[in-house]
Amino acid sequence: AQKVTQAQTEISVVEKEDVTLDCVYETRDTTYYLFWYKQPPSGELVFLIRRNSFDEQNEISGRYSWNFQKSTSSFNFTITASQVVDSAVYFCAGGDSGAGSYQLTFGKGTKLSVIP
Amino acid sequence: NAGVTQTPKFQVLKTGQSMTLQCAQDMNHEYMSWYRQDPGMGLRLIHYSVGAGITDQGEVPNGYNVSRSTTEDFPLRLLSAAPSQTSVYFCASSSRAGTQGIYEQYFGPGTRLTVT
Repeated sequence: AQKVTQAQTEISVVEKEDVTLDCVYETRDTTYYLFWYKQPPSGELVFLIRRNSFDEQNEISGRYSWNFQKSTSSFNFTITASQVVDSAVYFCAGGDSGAGSYQLTFGKGTKLSVIP
Repeated sequence: NAGVTQTPKFQVLKTGQSMTLQCAQDMNHEYMSWYRQDPGMGLRLIHYSVGAGITDQGEVPNGYNVSRSTTEDFPLRLLSAAPSQTSVYFCASSSRAGTQGIYEQYFGPGTRLTVT
């Protein structure tokens, strides 16, 4: 069975600080996919990124960046120069090849509070 | 293109009552799933479907039934509601990605259910 660990339950930062959210995915599959979703206070789930296990390139999108390390199965998410609008619960999720399209395993989420 | 829609947005039930949570998507996605979100638990998979007429159980299926008679609709039925089913329910859909890769799931806005 797959397992997603988000060790940080809650994080508070002051606006403009950088913050990194950790995620570790455990699976027996050698091919898998990792996702990050954002859940703002309004409650909807917003897709942020998808990464497959055979691509270890880091990815940057504006203030967001992701670092995947296959050796540790970690897929960490960094927000640079955080803003109040980044306050949300962030979920890391994993899915094995094929079944991951409809069968995701979610972590318990990290609640990020950005203080003005 | 409405994406994934869910009705109702809020519902209060008494123990023992039955009801159906509706989910529809207009993206012609093959895959659909139901998750429940409880505080501190992340999202957990209830049931999923890989196509019309095909459904299967996820991690927490007890107390729920599903059917998929069309590609667009995937209703979730509670036959006899219990307080333990108080939760936020999310429906998701995704398309088949062929032999390589999987696509992200698109989530509906959620249904907040309270069972008293």
